Amino acid sequence: AQKITQTQPGMFVQEKEAVTLDCTYDTSDQSYGLFWYKQPSSGEMIFLIYQGSYDEQNATEGRYSLNFQKARKSANLVISASQLGDSAMYFCAMREVQTGANNLFFGTGTRLTVIP
Amino acid sequence: NAGVTQTPKFRVLKTGQSMTLLCAQDMNHEYMYWYRQDPGMGLRLIHYSVGEGTTAKGEVPDGYNVSRLKKQNFLLGLESAAPSQTSVYFCASSYPQTAYEQYFGPGTRLTVT
Repeated sequence: AQKITQTQPGMFVQEKEAVTLDCTYDTSDQSYGLFWYKQPSSGEMIFLIYQGSYDEQNATEGRYSLNFQKARKSANLVISASQLGDSAMYFCAMREVQTGANNLFFGTGTRLTVIP
Repeated sequence: NAGVTQTPKFRVLKTGQSMTLLCAQDMNHEYMYWYRQDPGMGLRLIHYSVGEGTTAKGEVPDGYNVSRLKKQNFLLGLESAAPSQTSVYFCASSYPQTAYEQYFGPGTRLTVT
């Protein structure tokens, strides 16, 4: 079974609008971490935001916020006030504490295109 | 502070040839990883290391070997390259604690013909 599911292969958003990228996860672990990475066309992987399974508040980092709904096992990324530079692939990833080595399981990604 | 570097950036191999990809990090991270990225499949873990002298298999280890002789270096070897190993390879490193992100290198684009 897929540990991370990203159901939106591609998304479009108007510049300055907000957009939500979906991510659901599957784990039986009680302790885990959720990450979002951005991959622009240049290819590097850029860390955006982290949410721990025991964190009571949703994580925020500047224009990025993570809408964490534990009961639904979802960890959606919200980008506010989209900019042209936000056009990229976005990957959701999960780390299960029981694996012991901080291994990340990645989803297949969502390609976001920001329209001027 | 260079972060995570990978050598080479690009490589073309013929089927059956061997090569080694080098990853180096200067952040004193204990943990290091090798991933491959294929179109439409996200990143998949090949091998990882939790410290100098240790290695372990990830999700897709077949056809690859690794070594971690020094804390700052993690080598990925292909003994007999196959076209199915055409991919982009990423190295990453991290601190052991759960909350710390993995830092990624710029990637190596490998083509096996």
